Amino acid sequence: EMVMTQSPATLSVSPGERATLSCRASQSVSSNLAWYQQKPGQAPRLLIYGASTRATGIPARFSGSGSETEFTLTISSLQSEDFAVYYCQYYYNWPPMYIFGQGTNLEIK
Amino acid sequence: QVQLVESGGGVVQAGRSLRLSCAASGFSFRDYAMHWVRQAPGKGLEWVAVIWYDGSNKYYADSVKGRFTISRDNSKNTLHLQMNSLGAEDTAVYYCARPCGTINCYVFDIWGQGTMVTVSS
Repeated sequence: EMVMTQSPATLSVSPGERATLSCRASQSVSSNLAWYQQKPGQAPRLLIYGASTRATGIPARFSGSGSETEFTLTISSLQSEDFAVYYCQYYYNWPPMYIFGQGTNLEIK
Repeated sequence: QVQLVESGGGVVQAGRSLRLSCAASGFSFRDYAMHWVRQAPGKGLEWVAVIWYDGSNKYYADSVKGRFTISRDNSKNTLHLQMNSLGAEDTAVYYCARPCGTINCYVFDIWGQGTMVTVSS
C-alpha cells in the first residue's frame, strides 16, 4: 500500500524567510508528485506537478524538487499569503491512484 | 470563466442516501475525466472517485467502493455522486475536481467550492 508522509506536520517560519516542506513516498513514485496549497475555507490550489513543474500562474518563489521517494517543496521568500496547509499528492494513471499526504501546516512565526 | 459548482450536501442520517451534483461551465466538460475528492473536518484530502470523459470507466477508493456511484450527464455538463449506506466516516466536504488536461494529466487544476455532507447518528 502506497503511503505519502509529509514532514513536519507544522512549520513555523517568519515572513521573508525560506520554507522547506518534505514529502516521502513509501515506494518509488518516479516524478508523479504534485503539491497543493489550501487556505482555510477554500478549495486546494495546484502549485506543482511532475515533481518540479509550476502550474499556470504560480509565482517563481515556489519550487519543487526530488524524485522516486523523496520530494521537497521550497518557498524561497515567504509572503503573508503563503501561510496555509500544503499537501503532496501521488498520482498514477493505471489503475487510477491518487494518494495525498496528511499535510503540512505552514504558520507564521 | 472555468467553474465547478457543487450542490446537494446537507445533514443525513446514518444508513441513508444522498446525491451530490457538480455543474461545470467555461470549458468543454465532455472532453475531461472528472473526480470527486473529500475532506473530513480538520483532516486531509481523500480522493473518492473518477469517471472517464465519456462515462465508460469509473474507479473508486476502497473506502467507498460498493456504496458510492459516480456518473455524469454530458448534455447538461453535470457530474453526480450517489452516496448510499452513509456512515459517520463519510462526513466531509466533497469537492468535484477537473484534471489539468484531457489526456495524460492526473492532477487537479480546477476545483469547486465544495459541498458539506454531515452524517448524523
